[in-house]
Amino acid sequence: GAGVSQSPRYKVAKRGQDVALRCDPISGHVSLFWYQQALGQGPEFLTYFQNEAQLDKSGLPSDRFFAERPEGSVSTLKIQRTQQEDSAVYLCASSLARILGPNEQFFGPGTRLTVL
Amino acid sequence: KNQVEQSPQSLIILEGKNCTLQCNYTVSPFSNLRWYKQDTGRGPVSLTIMTFSENTKSNGRYTATLDADTKQSSLHITASQLSDSASYICVVRGLGGSQGNLIFGKGTKLSVKP
Repeated sequence: GAGVSQSPRYKVAKRGQDVALRCDPISGHVSLFWYQQALGQGPEFLTYFQNEAQLDKSGLPSDRFFAERPEGSVSTLKIQRTQQEDSAVYLCASSLARILGPNEQFFGPGTRLTVL
Repeated sequence: KNQVEQSPQSLIILEGKNCTLQCNYTVSPFSNLRWYKQDTGRGPVSLTIMTFSENTKSNGRYTATLDADTKQSSLHITASQLSDSASYICVVRGLGGSQGNLIFGKGTKLSVKP
């Protein structure tokens, strides 16, 4: 596709339910990032992949959050035993290469997760 | 602690007017600074990216400035249009550390009224 896509766009979960959010990055992009954006706030970093390697997961808020990118393309962010404070928009971004320089990140539209 | 502060939090202007959004950061050492536009319900879209050696960069009606000495950046929007209504987010990338770890400001919500 032309851009980063995410699915589902909206997800409503009952507290305690597990959810899985999918990100399809731009084809050929090496780097993939997950961010959490609470209402009225800027995105906050969760985790980063370079190809299939998860190089940084320091932003994951708890061990209920798990991300994978097994073949270096599609990524899944899984949240186990969801809590109300997990309600947010989850953004995925991809970049052609390493972002140490001014390489652009291209963001997907996000998945809005609401935990009841 | 590395921080990015933006002002104002929100801004309402009339169509056709100019406006300037501010960004102050404490991230050091510094690699680059980006301004993103985020429409409601959409992901952020990059407007400009500047390294520490660049003072100004333009993208159409958007002009970003950077003063690396004072750690300040601004985004100037000229001849605003209704479609400029969005949140504008300042993002700073420091040197070293995780390559994925950008520091995002909370954004300035701009509303352009007819």
